Amino acid sequence: LAKTTQPISMDSYEGQEVNITCSHNNIATNDYITWYQQFPSQGPRFIIQGYKTKVTNEVASLFIPADRKSSTLSLPRVSLSDTAVYYCLVGRYNTNAGKSTFGDGTTLTVKP
Amino acid sequence: DTGVSQDPRHKITKRGQNVTFRCDPISEHNRLYWYRQTLGQGPEFLTYFQNEAQLEKSRLLSDRFSAERPKGSFSTLEIQRTEQGDSAMYLCASSSSGDGFNQPQHFGDGTRLSIL
Repeated sequence: LAKTTQPISMDSYEGQEVNITCSHNNIATNDYITWYQQFPSQGPRFIIQGYKTKVTNEVASLFIPADRKSSTLSLPRVSLSDTAVYYCLVGRYNTNAGKSTFGDGTTLTVKP
Repeated sequence: DTGVSQDPRHKITKRGQNVTFRCDPISEHNRLYWYRQTLGQGPEFLTYFQNEAQLEKSRLLSDRFSAERPKGSFSTLEIQRTEQGDSAMYLCASSSSGDGFNQPQHFGDGTRLSIL
């Protein structure tokens, strides 16, 4: 079971780049790394997913080193609306759903 | 894309009562998941379906909990003889199967259950 470790909380200011790192030392060969964002009273929202190296989409980048034991979610130029909880999820949940577990996430607070 | 829909959004009931929640997944998704989330914690996996087959259940899913997906479309989660500890947000998610690729899950906004 791939356990993940993230910082409990982070603070940032509007316009800054934010990097949230997740440790997953026992990641398996077939595991993907997925990040979700959750606002209060809403379900998690998919942000980005990767397997190795770097993935970029319109909202974030995901950096995965060669050993895949950690990953970093990068949010460019955050705004107040990016204040949320961010979860790192490791696993191949389509075939092994119970083996992919959410940790307690990182609460990001963006200040004006 | 109408998204994953859950009903009701809130449910308040007395201890000992039975409750049932409904989830309507994204129409083309054949996989459906149920999670439970308590305040300050991440979602905890409960169970998942591929089409109408329930393929995996967590140990968290006691015998008071039952989930169904009779026609491979919507799903229901029933909790019998509710207890105080059942108070939580119950989240539903769906995904496609996508061979060779880990399809991300799309979540609904949950049903918040409060046990009096």
